[in-house]
Amino acid sequence: KAGVTQTPRYLIKTRGQQVTLSCSPISGHRSVSWYQQTPGQGLQFLFEYFSETQRNKGNFPGRFSGRQFSNSRSEMNVSTLELGDSALYLCASRAPAGESTGELFFGEGSRLTVL
Amino acid sequence: TQLLEQSPQFLSIQEGENLTVYCNSSSVFSSLQWYRQEPGEGPVLLVTVVTGGEVKKLKRLTFQFGDARKDSSLHITAAQPGDTGLYLCAGRTDSWGKLQFGAGTQVVVTP
Repeated sequence: KAGVTQTPRYLIKTRGQQVTLSCSPISGHRSVSWYQQTPGQGLQFLFEYFSETQRNKGNFPGRFSGRQFSNSRSEMNVSTLELGDSALYLCASRAPAGESTGELFFGEGSRLTVL
Repeated sequence: TQLLEQSPQFLSIQEGENLTVYCNSSSVFSSLQWYRQEPGEGPVLLVTVVTGGEVKKLKRLTFQFGDARKDSSLHITAAQPGDTGLYLCAGRTDSWGKLQFGAGTQVVVTP
């Protein structure tokens, strides 16, 4: 089985721009979570989607949004970028209930640099 | 503030030494997980603990879940350079709740 795939791996934006990141979960996984990782804060939970519905949400401003498609692929969008948004954005998928041990399977991340 | 506090933040030891990483919270967790992350990669699950007082061993790694399910520890015996990485604890307060992570402990094992 292919793992979680995130694109792009690296990107550079300037303040005020917006960015869209993409995540393809493991085949059969319908739950997708997004995290922001920075050296000082560790992994901060952004949101989780299941069957195209946002199930959980972290404490991030409204500039951070996401969605999930019928094929379970997910995107997250950050608008009006700020310098502090520079981070590694990680996507993770989870096996369906009944199969799941609670383990999250992570992609390699999208590293965003805001100049 | 982090829901899960990990200590120490950084640990540098020589090959063959032992080390312990701690993960503490004031919240009760239904389950707690430990992940290891290496540079350029996403975190990978090491273990899940669900029962208070539970101890799990994975080769030279020993994981313990506190009796009250609020804290956990990871002990590595005779550390090797391959153990180098960022160790992250993560907990859920219910089965399908969000998984929240600590800030991580960077472990460096030198030959």
